[in-house]
Amino acid sequence: DSGVTQTPKHLITATGQRVTLRCSPRSGDLSVYWYQQSLDQGLQFLIQYYNGEERAKGNILERFSAQQFPDLHSELNLSSLELGDSALYFCASSAESGGRFDEQFFGPGTRLTVL
Amino acid sequence: AQKITQTQPGMFVQEKEAVTLDCTYDTSDPSYGLFWYKQPSSGEMIFLIYQGSYDQQNATEGRYSLNFQKARKSANLVISASQLGDSAMYFCGYGGFKTIFGAGTRLFVKA
Repeated sequence: DSGVTQTPKHLITATGQRVTLRCSPRSGDLSVYWYQQSLDQGLQFLIQYYNGEERAKGNILERFSAQQFPDLHSELNLSSLELGDSALYFCASSAESGGRFDEQFFGPGTRLTVL
Repeated sequence: AQKITQTQPGMFVQEKEAVTLDCTYDTSDPSYGLFWYKQPSSGEMIFLIYQGSYDQQNATEGRYSLNFQKARKSANLVISASQLGDSAMYFCGYGGFKTIFGAGTRLFVKA
């Protein structure tokens, strides 16, 4: 158990819908990362938040948005869903101390299926 | 832009033998890190090892070692004495301003 929790574990929805994925980082970790893992795209970095502020942005679609709340939990919002958005979405957290890479602890992921 | 390349989609190794998983990267960042994660069939991502670009010695963690050759921009993972439980997907990653993962190498350990 990494200490990172993600809800829900599985999500099945229809095209055009909107969903919210939730992540609680390890206690004390200030950074949260979101990744999308699909069969054809591999593991893609979406976005990183540090202590409530957006720090880095990767291949995140405009239909997707994220935020980190004062209690450090984070939500990833996916809207106007398409079949191609079906994937495993990981959240990871790290302590982010001193600007050096800190081990990212991954949650179990949310499996999103868009029908 | 930063790039990570894993050229081996799949590899087989005999149990108890050593195996090297290749990883090359491209970056112009002055300081960065390289790391490896393991993803078994259960889907979880397990951190294995990290190497900083200014670290003088190659990183080691138990049976895992990272063969870091900065001039060649390679960060190969060496697993010694392979075990059946090592069968999994292995991802090389780059940590700088953004985190980038390679496409992964699927390792099969044969009994």
